[in-house]
Amino acid sequence: AQTVTQSQPEMSVQEAETVTLSCTYDTSESDYYLFWYKQPPSRQMILVIRQEAYKQQNATENRFSVNFQKAAKSFSLKISDSQLGDAAMYFCASPVYNQGGKLIFGQGTELSVKP
Amino acid sequence: DTGVSQDPRHKITKRGQNVTFRCDPISEHNRLYWYRQTLGQGPEFLTYFQNEAQLEKSRLLSDRFSAERPKGSFSTLEIQRTEQGDSAMYLCASSSGGGRAGNQPQHFGDGTRLSIL
Repeated sequence: AQTVTQSQPEMSVQEAETVTLSCTYDTSESDYYLFWYKQPPSRQMILVIRQEAYKQQNATENRFSVNFQKAAKSFSLKISDSQLGDAAMYFCASPVYNQGGKLIFGQGTELSVKP
Repeated sequence: DTGVSQDPRHKITKRGQNVTFRCDPISEHNRLYWYRQTLGQGPEFLTYFQNEAQLEKSRLLSDRFSAERPKGSFSTLEIQRTEQGDSAMYLCASSSGGGRAGNQPQHFGDGTRLSIL
């Protein structure tokens, strides 16, 4: 079965510092996308960043970037210059392509940002 | 783009009652997904529609759960004879139909929080 694992239930970062959230996954696909989603407390889940597996270059969206290592099946999220508004649950997700693209989510990492 | 809309935001009901939730996807999105999320966990897939066709349904979904998407627009999720274990956040997501299903990002609604007394 396809799996996504986030081994850090909680992380903490000082405002303006950098933090990296880990994610490993398992898929039988050769070409695929991976996603990071952010879910603030009692608020909507929003897309942070996505990575296409066949692209060599790691995806970047402003202060958010990924470290994608396809052979190791690792997909970590780096947040630079952390802001108070970055505090949220972060979920790594992988689509199951033969089941309509449903997402398999990791267990989540709760990020707190200290002022 | 008005986003994915879900109604109601909160639902409190007694065990054994039936409940129905509604999801209005982003208008041009033909793919619609329902997920369930319990506290501190990642969302868990329930069912998937492409237009009006229900193409995938989780094996974990009991026959008390049913979903529809008439005319390929809004969708409803009904839970019959609710149980304590049904208490959760029910999330709806939609994505565009371009390309392979799974490549386009899913856009989530605010969810419906169900509490069973």
